Amino acid sequence: EAQVTQNPRYLITVTGKKLTVTCSQNMNHEYMSWYRQDPGLGLRQIYYSMNVEVTDKGDVPEGYKVSRKEKRNFPLILESPSPNQTSLYFCASSPRAVSSPLHFGNGTRLTVT
Amino acid sequence: AQSVTQLDSHVSVSEGTPVLLRCNYSSSYSPSLFWYVQHPNKGLQLLLKYTSAATLVKGINGFEAEFKKSETSFHLTKPSAHMSDAAEYFCVVSRNPVIYNQGGKLIFGQGTELSVKP
Repeated sequence: EAQVTQNPRYLITVTGKKLTVTCSQNMNHEYMSWYRQDPGLGLRQIYYSMNVEVTDKGDVPEGYKVSRKEKRNFPLILESPSPNQTSLYFCASSPRAVSSPLHFGNGTRLTVT
Repeated sequence: AQSVTQLDSHVSVSEGTPVLLRCNYSSSYSPSLFWYVQHPNKGLQLLLKYTSAATLVKGINGFEAEFKKSETSFHLTKPSAHMSDAAEYFCVVSRNPVIYNQGGKLIFGQGTELSVKP
């Protein structure tokens, strides 16, 4: 089944403790991206990747890192999480750039205390 | 700069009545426009997209949207609401990747929550 898989679905952590949210797609898509969703703000793009080893900042990249060493994986790294990063995170992929429809994962709900 | 505004944060309709979810955009060049739907505890799913072909775009589940350049609008409609349509809807604009270097950027509206009453 074609899908975007995020793990974990729920994560509670403490300020400053490094964490990684994984994202994997099995559709051989070139484009992948990360978003955070906060009430009243819609989705805001954190980082995106047009292809392997090519990443770029979205609108809210501060406090996040990403890497794209393989086509299928695009992990989101929080080196030192803070409470303002408490949010619902989505990974998405598409065959190429943004003119193609996005396929979304089911989300990761992160709480930083 | 590009932006997108969803004019209603919440819309409530009765089952069987028409749905109208409003979206205005701002763009210096012809954008690609999308509507996505998010059901509770789920990721987003594409409803339809506009990419400079026909101005009236048909999507899944009976939804359609009309691109009106003169009004910079891309409103989503459905003739008859169903209970299963209750969800949050997002209007999204992307930059033209041919013109901009940042072809990967997407801008989401704030979302419109649709409630459907029996």
